[in-house]
Amino acid sequence: QKEVEQNSGPLSVPEGAIASLNCTYSDRGSQSFFWYRQYSGKSPELIMSIYSNGDKEDGRFTAQLNKASQYVSLLIRDSQPSDSATYLCAVNIGDSSASKIIFGSGTRLSIRP
Amino acid sequence: DGGITQSPKYLFRKEGQNVTLSCEQNLNHDAMYWYRQDPGQGLRLIYYSQIVNDFQKGDIAEGYSVSREKKESFPLTVTSAQKNPTAFYLCASSHLEASTNEKLFFGSGTQLSVL
Repeated sequence: QKEVEQNSGPLSVPEGAIASLNCTYSDRGSQSFFWYRQYSGKSPELIMSIYSNGDKEDGRFTAQLNKASQYVSLLIRDSQPSDSATYLCAVNIGDSSASKIIFGSGTRLSIRP
Repeated sequence: DGGITQSPKYLFRKEGQNVTLSCEQNLNHDAMYWYRQDPGQGLRLIYYSQIVNDFQKGDIAEGYSVSREKKESFPLTVTSAQKNPTAFYLCASSHLEASTNEKLFFGSGTQLSVL
């Protein structure tokens, strides 16, 4: 089982709709969860971080965390063409003495006009 | 400006050659990471370091080596033992003091290709 899993996509969503991206992780002790956006040929950039169960909203983005189900998601409302990118889920795995940040394989999102 | 700098942007390796990718940060971050990204794939962890003179293997360390002699620097050597080195290499750094400061700052990456 991979430590962090995502559907690779591509996920195609019409402009103005809600895009829903999902991620599961294997380490029950993980405390920190991140969503990064990556445009082709560029470095990833942080979209959201979440540490507690529930929802966290920032503009058009909402991160959702359910530690019991080991599941984290990202919702993008009012999707725009500029949202077309690969979205990477990342999880901090391990204890404080040797923690590491592991990424999923990414979900490619395409917003169609 | 504070940031994380990778060089070179493009690098070509001949068969049997070792090459070193540079990564420098002036953010006073404790942790530094090296990731490899293949086309259409996510980031895979090669090596990481939380303090000077100490580092741990990631998921795909074979064929790579690192050093952490200074807090600011974390160079990655791709050795001749790495038979398929062509990829986009990303260096990142972060704080360790508290969970809210763990976000990664990335360099602009190095594209390594085999001649």
